[in-house]
Amino acid sequence: QKEVEQDPGPLSVPEGAIVSLNCTYSNSAFQYFMWYRQYSRKGPELLMYTYSSGNKEDGRFTAQVDKSSKYISLFIRDSQPSDSATYLCAMSADTGNQFYFGTGTSLTVIP
Amino acid sequence: EAQVTQNPRYLITVTGKKLTVTCSQNMNHEYMSWYRQDPGLGLRQIYYSMNVEVTDKGDVPEGYKVSRKEKRNFPLILESPSPNQTSLYFCASSLQGEDNEQFFGPGTRLTVL
Repeated sequence: QKEVEQDPGPLSVPEGAIVSLNCTYSNSAFQYFMWYRQYSRKGPELLMYTYSSGNKEDGRFTAQVDKSSKYISLFIRDSQPSDSATYLCAMSADTGNQFYFGTGTSLTVIP
Repeated sequence: EAQVTQNPRYLITVTGKKLTVTCSQNMNHEYMSWYRQDPGLGLRQIYYSMNVEVTDKGDVPEGYKVSRKEKRNFPLILESPSPNQTSLYFCASSLQGEDNEQFFGPGTRLTVL
């Protein structure tokens, strides 16, 4: 079983839609949860960072972590064509430790 | 400008010819890491380093070497490249501590014939 599972999509939505992206994981030691956005031919860039369980909101983006279910989510409200990218979840047990990434979900927002 | 740089950006080589991909960061980050990205497999960590002279294996270290002699540099060495090492490679760095944001380099596209 992979440490982190992520539906690869692709996901295609109309502009203005709410997008839900999800990852599940198997290692209960994970405490740090991240979402990265990767545009074509670029390196990933950090979008959201959460420690332990709970919600975090930043503008149109909301990250949720449910450690009891080993499930994390990223919600994008009022999606824009500029949100079209691949979204990767990532997690680690401690700072400075090994990171585990999902395979990424490809998102296209259609104008 | 704060950044992670990698060189070369593109490389085509042949099986068995030793190569080094350099990585350098100017943010005084303690933590540095190498990843490879393959279709359907996502980003997989090769090696990481928590500080100078400290390196650890990630998920897929076979066939790779690293060294961390200086804080800013973390080269990736392929002693005898093979075609299954054809991939897109990313270097990343971050501060230690609770701020776990990794800054990624632009990537190195490696093809081993």
